[in-house]
Amino acid sequence: DGGITQSPKYLFRKEGQNVTLSCEQNLNHDAMYWYRQDPGQGLRLIYYSQIVNDFQKGDIAEGYSVSREKKESFPLTVTSAQKNPTAFYLCASSIAPYQPQHFGDGTRLSIL
Amino acid sequence: GENVEQHPSTLSVQEGDSAVIKCTYSDSASNYFPWYKQELGKGPQLIIDIRSNVGEKKDQRIAVTLNKTAKHFSLHITETQPEDSAVYFCAAKPTGNQFYFGTGTSLTVIP
Repeated sequence: DGGITQSPKYLFRKEGQNVTLSCEQNLNHDAMYWYRQDPGQGLRLIYYSQIVNDFQKGDIAEGYSVSREKKESFPLTVTSAQKNPTAFYLCASSIAPYQPQHFGDGTRLSIL
Repeated sequence: GENVEQHPSTLSVQEGDSAVIKCTYSDSASNYFPWYKQELGKGPQLIIDIRSNVGEKKDQRIAVTLNKTAKHFSLHITETQPEDSAVYFCAAKPTGNQFYFGTGTSLTVIP
């Protein structure tokens, strides 16, 4: 089955720690995205990538970093500089920017 | 940038009734409008979308209408069923690579 896999489903971060969220897709999509979802809010874009080795900041990139070394993979690192990291993180992909996005089932990140 | 507003934030309907969710957008350059359904603990799933050269699109019990002049678009669900209960998000895509999402509508269908 083609789709997007996010792992882990739940993640806990200690103070001063960087954590990395995994996102893998086997849909052969060029574009990949990371969103943050907070209660009662819409999805806010953190980073996106249209092709391998290229990515752009979204509206709330501060405190986050990404890499795109392979077409299938777009990991997100939540750094210690992100002071309010508790949220539900969603990864998405699309075959092209004007095509529908397909989402993974998310990673819930909490602070210990 | 684009600003998408979504109403209502919560909606309860009796099973079999219709549900309507409305979104407005600010950027007249937006030309693609998807709707997503999100169940608890899951990622959003595309349920229907519409492009700016079309005024209405229907897929079984779900329809979307677009009024470009007024810059609003709506999701219509007819003959609602308990499994329609979820959070629904609208989105708009102007020029560039970014989608802009509404804040979501929590729909409850009462059996």
